[in-house]
Amino acid sequence: QSALTQPASVSGSPGQSITISCAGTSSDVGGYNYVSWYQHHPGKAPKLMIYDVSNRPSGVSNRFSGSKSGNTASLTISGLQAEDEADYYCSSYTSSSTLVFGGGTKLTVL
Amino acid sequence: QVQLVESGGGLVKPGGSLRLSCAASGFTFSGYYMSWIRQAPGKGLEWVSYISGSGGTIYYADSVKGRFTVSWDNAKNSLYLQMNSLRAEDTAVYYCARLLGYCSGGSCYGFRFDPWGQGTLVTVSS
Repeated sequence: QSALTQPASVSGSPGQSITISCAGTSSDVGGYNYVSWYQHHPGKAPKLMIYDVSNRPSGVSNRFSGSKSGNTASLTISGLQAEDEADYYCSSYTSSSTLVFGGGTKLTVL
Repeated sequence: QVQLVESGGGLVKPGGSLRLSCAASGFTFSGYYMSWIRQAPGKGLEWVSYISGSGGTIYYADSVKGRFTVSWDNAKNSLYLQMNSLRAEDTAVYYCARLLGYCSGGSCYGFRFDPWGQGTLVTVSS
């Protein structure tokens, strides 16, 4: 049950786009289209932003989008805003019927 | 409105036990999978366990298998996590979350955590 691999930090200026990667294996990210992404502001409850690789829940801004290629999933945030500054985590279902998170990425809006 | 509220956290000595609770409102447990996730200080999220609405499907992370037990009480619409043989490395904020998706024929589909509770802090220290 090794954690998925995310960059520790990314940054961007308001209005720019950033992409956060989430690397796994064929036993998790690459084997299933069940990757989800969460936004976590410290001290608050994490929030679902993307599910099933690229689907947005109702109420989530269309500035957030997801994709997957092989064993790596990606979250893209376009038109960066100050309130996007948070920690972001990916998660995937695994071949062991368990779930696994990425190590998390701290997004800084410059 | 769907809401989850955790309770039961606190300070416990290594080797001790603690039971966490998660009270749900706005939906009925029996129709969903539920999960526990934790976050150690300064670390990322770690999935801990999930349980089906029927209680017939339960999975644990290797790090807690044999020490933690997840259960739920339909009458109280509450989820529980019994934690035994606690270690310093179990110190974390523990979140409960509804796990959307379903399982059929031994495989599960579309799992994602939504919504989450605010969390309860468990500190294991002598």
